[in-house]
Amino acid sequence: KNEVEQSPQNLTAQEGEFITINCSYSVGISALHWLQQHPGGGIVSLFMLSSGKKKHGRLIATINIQEKHSSLHITPSHPRDSAVYICAVTGRNKLVFGAGTILRVKS
Amino acid sequence: DTAVSQTPKYLVTQMGNDKSIKCEQNLGHDTMYWYKQDSKKFLKIMFSYNNKELIINETVPNRFSPKSPDKAHLNLHINSLELGDSAVYFCASSLPRGQHNEQFFGPGTRLTVL
Repeated sequence: KNEVEQSPQNLTAQEGEFITINCSYSVGISALHWLQQHPGGGIVSLFMLSSGKKKHGRLIATINIQEKHSSLHITPSHPRDSAVYICAVTGRNKLVFGAGTILRVKS
Repeated sequence: DTAVSQTPKYLVTQMGNDKSIKCEQNLGHDTMYWYKQDSKKFLKIMFSYNNKELIINETVPNRFSPKSPDKAHLNLHINSLELGDSAVYFCASSLPRGQHNEQFFGPGTRLTVL
């Protein structure tokens, strides 16, 4: 079992829908990251959080430390959000990654 | 200005060859990393350097040797390339542990071993 589990693995949505991607982890962490990887391959850091909630435009990330769970919300979704979303946790001075969620938003 | 740059972007080579991938960051960060992304898109850390010193080596074969000439550069040299080395390799940098350690990634190097 991976230390970082994401769900769902694949997600297809219609433009305008609200999307949630979930991440659970089983190790002690100092921070949790949400990353975005576009089809071209580049990786961009969306959020880094260790408690509570952060918002950037249509994206919201939340974390519950007690439950070892984080969610990434896209409200509402747009075709340009189509990408792989990767949850990663910082523990023992290194990043441990989830397997990623492939999101496709149709217009 | 590019924050984290890698060269080359694509590398196609034969089994048994030796190759290097270069990484440079102009963010003034002290910590740099190499990650491997396999064919299933799963990312895994290979190495981490802090201020030119190796701090993480994640059970990577000895054929892989990182070199950090200064804290702005972390190069990856691979000897005797094997088919299983085919992957995308990402370099990243961050401020040291204990500070804001958001990581900034390079564009990746797609290595294909024939």
